[in-house]
Amino acid sequence: KAGVTQTPRYLIKTRGQQVTLSCSPISGHRSVSWYQQTPGQGLQFLFEYFSETQRNKGNFPGRFSGRQFSNSRSEMNVSTLELGDSALYLCASSPWTSLQETQYFGPGTRLLVL
Amino acid sequence: AQSVSQHNHHVILSEAASLELGCNYSYGGTVNLFWYVQYPGQHLQLLLKYFSGDPLVKGIKGFEAEFIKSKFSFNLRKPSVQWSDTAEYFCAVRSQGGTSYGKLTFGQGTILTVHP
Repeated sequence: KAGVTQTPRYLIKTRGQQVTLSCSPISGHRSVSWYQQTPGQGLQFLFEYFSETQRNKGNFPGRFSGRQFSNSRSEMNVSTLELGDSALYLCASSPWTSLQETQYFGPGTRLLVL
Repeated sequence: AQSVSQHNHHVILSEAASLELGCNYSYGGTVNLFWYVQYPGQHLQLLLKYFSGDPLVKGIKGFEAEFIKSKFSFNLRKPSVQWSDTAEYFCAVRSQGGTSYGKLTFGQGTILTVHP
């Protein structure tokens, strides 16, 4: 099976712009989670989607949003970008939304905000 | 909110040395515990996980971890490391209750460097 894919892999934006990142889960996986990874804060949970519904949300401002489509693909959007949004954004998928599920991570999208 | 603490930021060992990476979490209820590894240039991948039962769990590549509930700990061990174990290791916790229900919370990570 192909792994989790994320596009684009690298992105440069300027402050105030908005950005959309895409994630295609492993075939058959219905749960998609997003994480932000920075040197200072480490890996932080953004949100989880299952069957097109947001199941859980981390402590991020409303500028961070996401959605999931009927084919389980997911997008996350960051509006009004700030310098501090520069990070590696990781997507992870799992077959279901059970607490015991292993999450399979993608390579990430590296976002640089200038 | 739950938190996860990894004791060491950077560990440097020689090949064949034994490894123990510490991990402590804050949530007092039922938890699911994970260790993930990120090899240079690769994705995060699961090393091992604990849900219930035998508190000593074995993972891939000879790694094991012990869950000690009374100490809120889930330390990772390997008797003899190899150069190929050079990577960053992340402990993660998913609680079954509380305000952090269902959220996978990661520690800050420990960079392991193994010298040949």
